[in-house]
Amino acid sequence: QVQLQESGPGLLKPSQTLSLTCAVSGGSITSANSYWTWVRQPAGKGLEWIGRIYPTGSTNYNPSLKSRVTISLDTSKNLFSLSLTSVTAADTAVYYCARDHDFYDSRGSWTGDAFDIWGPGTMVSVSS
Amino acid sequence: QSVLTQPPSASGTPGQRITISCSGGSSTIGSNSVNWYQQVPGTAPKLLIFSTNQRPSGVPDRVSGSKSGTSASLAISGLQSEDEADYYCAAWDDNLNTWVFGGGTKLTVL
Repeated sequence: QVQLQESGPGLLKPSQTLSLTCAVSGGSITSANSYWTWVRQPAGKGLEWIGRIYPTGSTNYNPSLKSRVTISLDTSKNLFSLSLTSVTAADTAVYYCARDHDFYDSRGSWTGDAFDIWGPGTMVSVSS
Repeated sequence: QSVLTQPPSASGTPGQRITISCSGGSSTIGSNSVNWYQQVPGTAPKLLIFSTNQRPSGVPDRVSGSKSGTSASLAISGLQSEDEADYYCAAWDDNLNTWVFGGGTKLTVL
């Protein structure tokens, strides 16, 4: 059973760089039909997709964060990472890593993808 | 303001059937499948419905999803106290090239 676990500093000062890692266990990060995603959630608010990385290393980012975000893959350690530069108080949130998995019907036709496995989340606060 | 629109709250009594709506547009729900996530406060979201109307293993068949045009719905029948949680819809946005979520609906079981 694939499991995800986030780790990283919980407290940052404005203008610093947020760096988080997500360790993947119980499966390979290079598995077909799986992409690796970051989602965040400010306290009391909804979910915001940050971006994802494919096993090939290609990425998609949320346009609202694209200029500050980098997601990378470390296949030797079976983990992926998030870097968010120039943080402000608005970046204070619980950060989740998740697996974005392709789904197919009985005929083998692609029906969509979804975040089927999530890490427990890690709280990141930005404060001077 | 979220790209997908959900009612902020919903409620029902045990045994009742409730629905939660999710309204989008032609670049989101109109052209892509919809996923639903359940989140108990203080815990990570859990996938409840994928590909608009499919249930992952372990999700009971009293939970169902559907869509029509640019709107989607989540239905829960035989409401139970354990269903009390926040529910989020999500879809890919072809214009923004990003996943977008609804603002979430807080379900209260009275």
